[in-house]
Amino acid sequence: EVQLLESGGGLVQPGGSLRLSCAASGISFSSYAMTWVRQAPGKGLEWVSVITSSGGSTYYADSVKGRFTISRDNSENTLYLQMNSLRAEDTAVYYCAKGSSIAARPPSFDIWGQGTMVTVSS
Amino acid sequence: EIVLTQSPGTLSLSPGERATLSCRASQSVSSSYLAWYQQKPGQAPRLLIFGASSRATGIPDRFSGSGSGTDFTLTISRLEPEDFAVYYCQQYDSSPPRWTFGQGTKVEIK
Repeated sequence: EVQLLESGGGLVQPGGSLRLSCAASGISFSSYAMTWVRQAPGKGLEWVSVITSSGGSTYYADSVKGRFTISRDNSENTLYLQMNSLRAEDTAVYYCAKGSSIAARPPSFDIWGQGTMVTVSS
Repeated sequence: EIVLTQSPGTLSLSPGERATLSCRASQSVSSSYLAWYQQKPGQAPRLLIFGASSRATGIPDRFSGSGSGTDFTLTISRLEPEDFAVYYCQQYDSSPPRWTFGQGTKVEIK
């Protein structure tokens, strides 16, 4: 069964750090670029970051650049998002998703996890 | 930065009716780089359409996508009860690499 399972969310104080994980199963993980997308409560979807299949290239939304770091461990079929200097506006459900093609920068994403909630509050 | 504007914000229709959702881009978007997603409450998004008009695996043929340039449309030919949800368009811009979503259209039961 194809599955992406996020973990690592929780409550953190402003200025704090958190690392999210996304464990993949049932897919050839190392063949696909991966992304993180977030959704603030009651709001729409916001792209956060993309990493190519090898991990050699990464891309970030301006809102998280310099604070968040995406990485992957292809030997463990796991994607990560290190989040530092967290702000209240980072509060959201964070989804990981798989590129829908083997393109280095896929235009869309076809397999999504169920998400993990991150709350930034004092 | 390309901005995607979806309209209407909310669409109130009855089962069996036709739904037409619009996604307008602030600059021209390659058709290959335009996708549509469906999201139901408490669930992750699901890819419906990629490349502006290609249905993703397992998507019923009542869903269709069309358009080019700055104007794209998602059509649901006959609404089924399970189709009431929020729909997002999304585009990829290669220079610099950036992915953006529209603000969403909610299709609700009238």
